[in-house]
Parts: sequence; structure tokens; C-alpha cells
Amino acid sequence: GQQVMQIPQYQHVQEGEDFTTYCNSSTTLSNIQWYKQRPGGHPVFLIQLVKSGEVKKQKRLTFQFGEAKKNSSLHITATQTTDVGTYFCAGRTGRRALTFGSGTRLQVQP
Amino acid sequence: SQTIHQWPATLVQPVGSPLSLECTVEGTSNPNLYWYRQAAGRGLQLLFYSVGIGQISSEVPQNLSASRPQDRQFILSSKKLLLSDSGFYLCAWTGTEPFYEQYFGPGTRLTVT
Repeated sequence: GQQVMQIPQYQHVQEGEDFTTYCNSSTTLSNIQWYKQRPGGHPVFLIQLVKSGEVKKQKRLTFQFGEAKKNSSLHITATQTTDVGTYFCAGRTGRRALTFGSGTRLQVQP
Repeated sequence: SQTIHQWPATLVQPVGSPLSLECTVEGTSNPNLYWYRQAAGRGLQLLFYSVGIGQISSEVPQNLSASRPQDRQFILSSKKLLLSDSGFYLCAWTGTEPFYEQYFGPGTRLTVT
């Protein structure tokens, strides 16, 4: 079945440093979504990427979808303590349910 | 606007006891509904999804079951809990165009002792 792998599992950065999490799918995706889960909370939708090579920005967050539509990345510039949480990618193939990656837990030290 | 409710928020149950977690959705009709489990510090594991009343698809065989007795009600059950059933259980529904994103409920934190 479809597998979505995410690395790193955990990253601890100093406030102001950049952060990147990577997502790789075993199959070509029709789209990929990104979610953020704050500690103790539930995942919240951030963005969806659909097109090959697509790049989208949300303030300090930059999302990329690979040319082959099998990988994606989320980059945060100049992290802040409010960025703390777990970031999940979730890939969809056709009309199937989303397959979530294992998540990257980000810790930001002030 | 759409709202998703889950209860209870936290639950501590002994091994071998039954389980019933309820999820209800407001503000939408005929939603696709999902149950996920998140073990401590881990990712989201899809357990069940439902596209309509009485229609349940199981993603992972285990001692859990799901039912959808009403359009906006989704129930997760177990006859006998195992220690490995501990985790954070999240109910979700799928939004509409253009993203069909997942909207998650507040979750139930289950500890099996």
C-alpha cells in the first residue's frame, strides 16, 4: 500500500534558526497536504499542493511539491516559539483517503 | 459553520474492559468520517472511515470496531481493551472543494492500565 515517510522525526532548533521537514511517498500523489499539531492539540490543515513543482508561501513557511509529485518539503524561516508542534504531511492518490506521514516534531528554544 | 464533537476528552480504562467513543458532526450532511489513532509521540494511523450510514471501511485489523448509526454520528468501540490500545483517538471529517482537507475533532486521550 501507499506509504508516506517523513524526516526528521524530531528537530530542536534555537529561535531564529531555519527548519525543514521532508516528506517522501512510495507512489505518485495527486496532491499533498500539510498539517500542524500543537502540543496537546489536534492537527490543523495548513495548505494543499497539487501541481508538479508547486511552491506556496505562508508568511515564514514555504511549501514545495516535487517535480515527480512523490516528495514535498516544508521550510520555516527564522523559527519562533509559536512554531512549536508536530508537522505532518498527508498524501492522496486519486479518491483514496489521505495517508499521513509520521510527522516531524519541532522544538524551538527561546 | 461545521463543528465536530468528541467525548470523552480523557479516559482511563483497565485492560479487558469495553470501550465506546463517540463523534458527532454539526453543520454538514453526509460527511465522510474517519477515526485515527495517534500513539504517544507518533504519527496518525487511520483506523476506519465511513462514506455513509452503515458503511464502514477498516484500514487496520485489530480488536476495534466502528459503527455509523446516523449520518453525523461515528462510534469507535472495543469489547476488550488491550494495553496497546492506549493513545489519542481523533475523529475527522472531510471538507469540500477545493481541498477536501481533514477537519479533526478535539480528540480523546485513552490510557489503558
